[in-house]
Amino acid sequence: QKEVEQNSGPLSVPEGAIASLNCTYSDRGSQSFFWYRQYSGKSPELIMFIYSNGDKEDGRFTAQLNKASQYVSLLIRDSQPSDSATYLCAVNPGGTYKYIFGTGTRLKVLA
Amino acid sequence: NAGVTQTPKFQVLKTGQSMTLQCAQDMNHNSMYWYRQDPGMGLRLIYYSASEGTTDKGEVPNGYNVSRLNKREFSLRLESAAPSQTSVYFCASSHKGDTEAFFGQGTRLTVV
Repeated sequence: QKEVEQNSGPLSVPEGAIASLNCTYSDRGSQSFFWYRQYSGKSPELIMFIYSNGDKEDGRFTAQLNKASQYVSLLIRDSQPSDSATYLCAVNPGGTYKYIFGTGTRLKVLA
Repeated sequence: NAGVTQTPKFQVLKTGQSMTLQCAQDMNHNSMYWYRQDPGMGLRLIYYSASEGTTDKGEVPNGYNVSRLNKREFSLRLESAAPSQTSVYFCASSHKGDTEAFFGQGTRLTVV
């Protein structure tokens, strides 16, 4: 079992819809969770981080964390074609300096 | 505000050649990291430096060495490049080991 798992996609959604991206992790001691966006040929760009169970909202983005079920998700409301990218989930196991990345989910927002 | 700066952006090496990838951050971060990204493999940690003066192996350290030159700079050295080291290399930094990490623009390395 991979430490951080994501569906590779592509996930296709129409413009204006809600895109839901999911990530599961294996280490129950994980403390910090991050979502990065990566455009083709570019470097990962931080979108959100979440440390506590529940929801965290920032503009059109909402991160959701459920430590009991070991999953973290990212919702993108009012999806735009410019949101088309690969979204990387990263998890930091407690007490370490290692960010473990999933392989990413490719999102396509159709105009 | 430059953030994390990597040099070079592109490099082609012949098998057996050596080179050093440079990374510098201006955010006064304590921790720095080197990752490689390959298709279908995601980002894999090569080495990290929790703080100035310390370095540790990550998931895929074989064939690489690192130096934390000072708080700002963290270099990655390939002593004898192999085709399997063809990849995109990213440097990143964070204030602490469990806070958000920021990435440089990457180095595309091809070993022929």
